[in-house]
Amino acid sequence: AQKVTQAQTEISVVEKEDVTLDCVYETRDTTYYLFWYKQPPSGELVFLIRRNSFDEQNEISGRYSWNFQKSTSSFNFTITASQVVDSAVYFCALSEAEQAGTALIFGKGTTLSVSS
Amino acid sequence: DVKVTQSSRYLVKRTGEKVFLECVQDMDHENMFWYRQDPGLGLRLIYFSYDVKMKEKGDIPEGYSVSREKKERFSLILESASTNQTSMYLCASSWTPGTGWDEQYFGPGTRLTVT
Repeated sequence: AQKVTQAQTEISVVEKEDVTLDCVYETRDTTYYLFWYKQPPSGELVFLIRRNSFDEQNEISGRYSWNFQKSTSSFNFTITASQVVDSAVYFCALSEAEQAGTALIFGKGTTLSVSS
Repeated sequence: DVKVTQSSRYLVKRTGEKVFLECVQDMDHENMFWYRQDPGLGLRLIYFSYDVKMKEKGDIPEGYSVSREKKERFSLILESASTNQTSMYLCASSWTPGTGWDEQYFGPGTRLTVT
């Protein structure tokens, strides 16, 4: 069965610290997609990144980077030099290519608090 | 920019009432979804629709129904609201049916309280 686990419920850091949010997934499909979403206090989920199962290249976008490792079924998210504006709930999600309707399977989320 | 709007940000209803949550997207997306979000449980899929008048049950459909008469509009219906349906409800849409590649675009959410 498909599943996404975000073991860290809450993380608190001080500004300028680096922080890594962990995501471990389970799926039987060979073709699948992984996503990260950010939910700021305003409530609306914002798409950050997607990866397909055939692309294990790491991705960097500004202060954000993602490490996808199929060998460990992980898709971790690192924020470098964190800022107060990074405070949010972050969700990792999985969708499978063969699943009708392309519904996302979400982890339970990690609440990140960045203090100044 | 894709826009997904939900009819209310906050809603308070009484037990037993019939409740309608409306969602509209303006980008001609094929797929639409309803999730509920609860602390410690993340987002759970209630229903989704990959075409007009088509609907599929998600993980927690009990106590809910949906309607999609037009492509841009997807309604979630609580036939007889109960206190355990107090939650944040999120609507989303995505472009292409039959593929898991497309990201979903989310509305701002409706925080429903049933008293």
